[in-house]
Amino acid sequence: DAKTTQPPSMDCAEGRAANLPCNHSTISGNEYVYWYRQIHSQGPQYIIHGLKNNETNEMASLIITEDRKSSTLILPHATLRDTAVYYCIVTGGGATNKLIFGTGTLLAVQP
Amino acid sequence: GAVVSQHPSRVICKSGTSVKIECRSLDFQATTMFWYRQFPKQSLMLMATSNEGSKATYEQGVEKDKFLINHASLTLSTLTVTSAHPEDSSFYICSAGDRGKYEQYFGPGTRLTVT
Repeated sequence: DAKTTQPPSMDCAEGRAANLPCNHSTISGNEYVYWYRQIHSQGPQYIIHGLKNNETNEMASLIITEDRKSSTLILPHATLRDTAVYYCIVTGGGATNKLIFGTGTLLAVQP
Repeated sequence: GAVVSQHPSRVICKSGTSVKIECRSLDFQATTMFWYRQFPKQSLMLMATSNEGSKATYEQGVEKDKFLINHASLTLSTLTVTSAHPEDSSFYICSAGDRGKYEQYFGPGTRLTVT
């Protein structure tokens, strides 16, 4: 599985958009970009995933560059409850593929 | 989304005893389940992949005889920490996925403390 690089921490003001970057320069053609988050002392939560095209769901948007070497997770209106560690993971598509977690980005939403 | 439960949520045991942790998918069939361990202020570390009806596949460095995994049905996988020692104290998390779907669902975790 391709390795990802994320900033260790970011701050965001409540109500503003949070843009979380991820580099995955060694991603291969059949690998997807997944985002999960972990609120303190809980199990991780699936957010969104994509292959090539940008994706949007009720939680977030995922922007993948054309060369697929990096992506950005966007939380359009961050709330205090979005404070969590966000993990960008590259893996084969499908729920039965193992997820290798890196160190993630601790997003702190400030009031 | 789908729900995955874990039991117990917290357990304290004495050194040398064994502890069993259950992971259940409540509203879907999980062909594959995963077990992770997380130490304080660290990321999740994948321990093993469990497929229903077959032996688990362990990650490098994880002792299969110490961490016994049984995935006997499409809704239940168990992790038994045998002869637990204080260094096994950790947050154990399971996840479950179904063939044909894209996302995995995680349990709430089990905090194990070995005294």
